[in-house]
Amino acid sequence: EVKLLESGGGLVQPGGSMRLSCAASGFTFTDFYMYWIRQPAGKAPEWLGFIRNKANGYTTEYNPSVKGRFTISRDNTQNMLYLQMNTLRAEDTATYYCAREGKTTGYVMDAWGQGASVTVSS
Amino acid sequence: DVQMTQSLSYLAASPGESVSISCKASKSISNYLAWYQQKPGEAYKLLIYSGSTLQSGTPSRFSGSGSGTDFTLTIRSLEPEDFGLYYCQQYYEKPLTFGSGTKLEIK
Repeated sequence: EVKLLESGGGLVQPGGSMRLSCAASGFTFTDFYMYWIRQPAGKAPEWLGFIRNKANGYTTEYNPSVKGRFTISRDNTQNMLYLQMNTLRAEDTATYYCAREGKTTGYVMDAWGQGASVTVSS
Repeated sequence: DVQMTQSLSYLAASPGESVSISCKASKSISNYLAWYQQKPGEAYKLLIYSGSTLQSGTPSRFSGSGSGTDFTLTIRSLEPEDFGLYYCQQYYEKPLTFGSGTKLEIK
C-alpha cells in the first residue's frame, strides 16, 4: 500500500524557516517524481514544485510564486521527501501536502499524504 | 498562469441522482485535465486524468468529459460516500493550477 506521511508542521514566526518531511512507503521511491502542494484554508490547492526521479537526475522545478524561497529535496536512502521553506510570510499559512506523480501520465498526482499544517504568525 | 474556474462552489443532491461539476480553463488546455476528490480527514484521491480516463479504482459511475476550455465531471447514481470536495487541475503547462473546488453534499 502506498503511504505518504508529512511531518514537521506547526507555528513559525514571519521571516522564519521550516522544513517539512514526507515519509514514503509502499513503492519504489526512486522511480517516482515527488511533489509538494499547499492549500490555504478554504482556497484552491497550489502546486509548489516537484523533484524528478532517478532516471531524470532528481532535478527540481518550482512554481515561480515560491522559487528562491522554497527548496525540495529527497533522501532516497530513507525514502524521504523534504520541503525547506525560508523567509516565511503570513500568506504561506496552509496545509502542505506531499504527493507522488502517477506512472500513467505526467504532472498528475496519484497518491497524496494527509497534509501538515503550517501557520506563519507572530 | 492558466486559471481554472469551478463556478459552482456548492452542490447538494440525493443518493441515486446524477450530478455534473464543471471546470473552465482560461485558455485551451487540450485534455490535460485531472479531477480529484477530497474528503474530510482523508488524502486527496485522483479520480480522472486526461479529461476522461478513469484512474484505477475509480467507480464507473464517475465520468469526465470535455476538451479545450470546458470540462465536466459527472457522477451518476450518487452514493452516500461521494460527498466531499472535487477539484480540477490542469497540467497543460506549468505552473500546474487547480480549481477552487466544488463541495458536493449528499441530501
